Amino acid sequence: DVQMTQSPSYLAASPGESVSISCKASKSISNNLAWYQEKPGKANKLLIHSGSTLQSGTPSRFSGSGSGTDFTLTIRSLESEDFAVYYCQQYNEYPPTFGAGTKLELK
Amino acid sequence: EVQLVESGGGLVQPGRSLKLSCAASGFTFSDYNMAWVRQAPKKGLEWVATISYDGSSTYYRDSVKGRFTISRDNAKSTLYLQMDSLRSEDTATYYCARWDYYSSYVDYWGQGVMVTVSS
Repeated sequence: DVQMTQSPSYLAASPGESVSISCKASKSISNNLAWYQEKPGKANKLLIHSGSTLQSGTPSRFSGSGSGTDFTLTIRSLESEDFAVYYCQQYNEYPPTFGAGTKLELK
Repeated sequence: EVQLVESGGGLVQPGRSLKLSCAASGFTFSDYNMAWVRQAPKKGLEWVATISYDGSSTYYRDSVKGRFTISRDNAKSTLYLQMDSLRSEDTATYYCARWDYYSSYVDYWGQGVMVTVSS
């Protein structure tokens, strides 16, 4: 199985700041990577697919980059609603696998 | 609006069975591959099983093969997960997920249903 390693596990930031979350695959997955947001009491939300394509409805302050094994989710000018847990997922091959998550907390 | 609503979770003893359902609405259910994804307490997300749009193909993670069965009823717009021979390690929140039309990522998630396997 393709192992997905996310870092950091926890990240503290303030509104207005920019943050980046890394996701590394154990082998090349081309650009077959998605990013999700998890918030308490809400259904998980797809933010980005194909490494860098914003899903409809995802604010433009979110961006994704990378291909092969190294990927990054960047959030510019954090807003209060962005404090959540973020997961990456590879879908290049079965089984699809997820990163362990990054909890973005308010500093 | 796409909605996925899971039901059927609860507390069950090891070795027993449980069947989860997911009622879908807001889209043409029979057009989409569907999946179950789970999350054990304090753990990350884990794909469990996928079924093709017409039910002709199914895929399972190794740890549930032979114990879990994914199925669907397109006439009822409902996805199922029959879970047999349950183990404590199956304890998790189970999410119903719609696979993107062209690929294997989730474009819509349900809110999840908790399954606890304990004596």
